[in-house]
Amino acid sequence: SQQGEEDPQALSIQEGENATMNCSYKTSINNLQWYRQNSGRGLVHLILIRSNEREKHSGRLRVTLDTSKKSSSLLITASRAADTASYFCATDAYNQGGKLIFGQGTELSVKP
Amino acid sequence: DTGVSQNPRHKITKRGQNVTFRCDPISEHNRLYWYRQTLGQGPEFLTYFQNEAQLEKSRLLSDRFSAERPKGSFSTLEIQRTEQGDSAMYLCASSSYRGVSTEAFFGQGTRLTVV
Repeated sequence: SQQGEEDPQALSIQEGENATMNCSYKTSINNLQWYRQNSGRGLVHLILIRSNEREKHSGRLRVTLDTSKKSSSLLITASRAADTASYFCATDAYNQGGKLIFGQGTELSVKP
Repeated sequence: DTGVSQNPRHKITKRGQNVTFRCDPISEHNRLYWYRQTLGQGPEFLTYFQNEAQLEKSRLLSDRFSAERPKGSFSTLEIQRTEQGDSAMYLCASSSYRGVSTEAFFGQGTRLTVV
């Protein structure tokens, strides 16, 4: 079963625009992680946010976490065609032994 | 270290045959995960190890699936009597677990096609 649900399922934007993806989850977490996957390839870790953190930045990425709403968002600013990929959130749920459970993902298309 | 390595990259097999995949994690990582991914879906959890101990196997996984990590280093995933529904990408990941999960590093996956 999937712990995280991403929204939207697909997103198409122009280069230079910002892209926002959301992730909702069901149970209390230790941390939430975002990953990126280019077509047919393995996943690449982007950022990890702990349950006691509310916001983290990494380059053009900004992640927020609202534990009261059990949701997180990933913002990519000034998007580039190379950002075209699928983006997944993964949760490390509390008392689940560090098992990482992934959502269904958001497919982002950035048009040049 | 060259990262997580999975072999083979592609496997085509006839229905009913057994297949085995190998994953070589990053050497200092104590945790290893197996996932299955079909087109347009997120990675589905199959099983994971802490060193050589298998901690959990997904309830969705039939008895035809088995995984081992004999010396806490590489891992194998075996599927017996393959079915067409087993066609998917099988992903392996490793991480350094310290009470909570940390960044997981993924291999490129093994794409299985059952004909």
